[in-house]
Order: sequence, then structure tokens, then C-alpha cells
Amino acid sequence: EAGVTQSPTHLIKTRGQQATLRCSPISGHTSVYWYQQALGLGLQFLLWYDEGEERNRGNFPPRFSGRQFPNYSSELNVNALELEDSALYLCASSLEGWSNQPQHFGDGTRLSIL
Amino acid sequence: GNSVTQMEGPVTLSEEAFLTINCTYTATGYPSLFWYVQYPGEGLQLLLKATKADDKGSNKGFEATYRKETTSFHLEKGSVQVSDSAVYFCALSDRGADGLTFGKGTHLIIQP
Repeated sequence: EAGVTQSPTHLIKTRGQQATLRCSPISGHTSVYWYQQALGLGLQFLLWYDEGEERNRGNFPPRFSGRQFPNYSSELNVNALELEDSALYLCASSLEGWSNQPQHFGDGTRLSIL
Repeated sequence: GNSVTQMEGPVTLSEEAFLTINCTYTATGYPSLFWYVQYPGEGLQLLLKATKADDKGSNKGFEATYRKETTSFHLEKGSVQVSDSAVYFCALSDRGADGLTFGKGTHLIIQP
């Protein structure tokens, strides 16, 4: 069974640009979560998508957005990039979002802002 | 709100030593508890889980017991190996709506 896959592995952008990160969940999983792992800040919940809808978001500004496609894959968009957006962005999927099913993570996209 | 507290380390042990990483939590509901491990340059791997009080999760020689009375979920292993060197995260999920709440992670270093 293929795990959660994320692309690209690395992404280098400059301030003010836009970044798009992609995630394919485990087959059969309908919920996708996005997390930011920034140095010194730990892992923070960003967004939750389930059945194509945004269900919840963490304490992040609106320039962090995304969507979930009919095949349950997802993309995260970050607009007007700032230096502090440099981080590892992790995607996770689970069988059901409204329960406490374990989340399974991809290897992440390392976003570097110059 | 929910929170998870764990020792940050680094924790340095010799091979074959006994390992304990403490984790305590606060939650408004009745959460599920998890331990994840992150090896350098990789994402998080689920190590073990427990969904209700007194449940014991176990995997690869690691164990943790869900203690509701002390709100704890300490990770233990009887004999660590160099390959166990990684960062370990304790996490909770309260219905999934707010994602996982993570501790800050414990960097474990095992010396031969």
C-alpha cells in the first residue's frame, strides 16, 4: 500500500511569491491534514479537509489556503510569502476525520524563503 | 484548550539502556493518544497509539500506557539501539477536528 506522498520535496521561493504544495493521501483515506513544522515552533496544525470541504483551520492567516480534489488529493497554497514561512510542511491522511483514527504522514515539503 | 508537555532533551543514552520519555497532557474531551517518531530528513511515523484509559500501545519494543488519572502517556523501551536515535513526539487527538496536538518533541541520541 502506497503511503502519503508529497511534492515537491524542496521548494525555494522569494518573499512575496506564491507557493503550491501537493499531497496524495493513502488510498481509501478521505481526510487530509496539513501541518507546519518550523524551527523552534514545533508542529502546528494548519488545515483539515474532509470529503472535499475545508472543515477546520489552525491559527494561521488567510494567505494560507488550499483545497481537496474529488480524488481526495490536496494542495496547500501560501500567498505573499514571508521569511517566517520557511518550514517543513507535512501532510497527513486518515480514514475518517471526525474520529480519532491515526494520521499517517508524508515526508514533507521543505519550503525555503530567500 | 488541549496541550501536550514532554521533555525536550536531547536525551543521550548508551546502547541497551532503559528508556523513558515522559508525556503529560491536558484535554477538554476524552482524547486518543499517540507517539510518533521522526528520523532525520523524514516525515513522522506512527509508533503506537491508545484510545482509552488503561490501554497499552506497543510496537518495536516500545510501550506506553494511557493513564487517565495522571493524564500521562510515558514512552518506554527496555533496551535501546543506536537505530532508535530520532525525535519522538507525543500527540493527542480530540475527535480529529483540530488536528493533532503535539508536544515539542524529544531528541533521543543513542551512543554505541
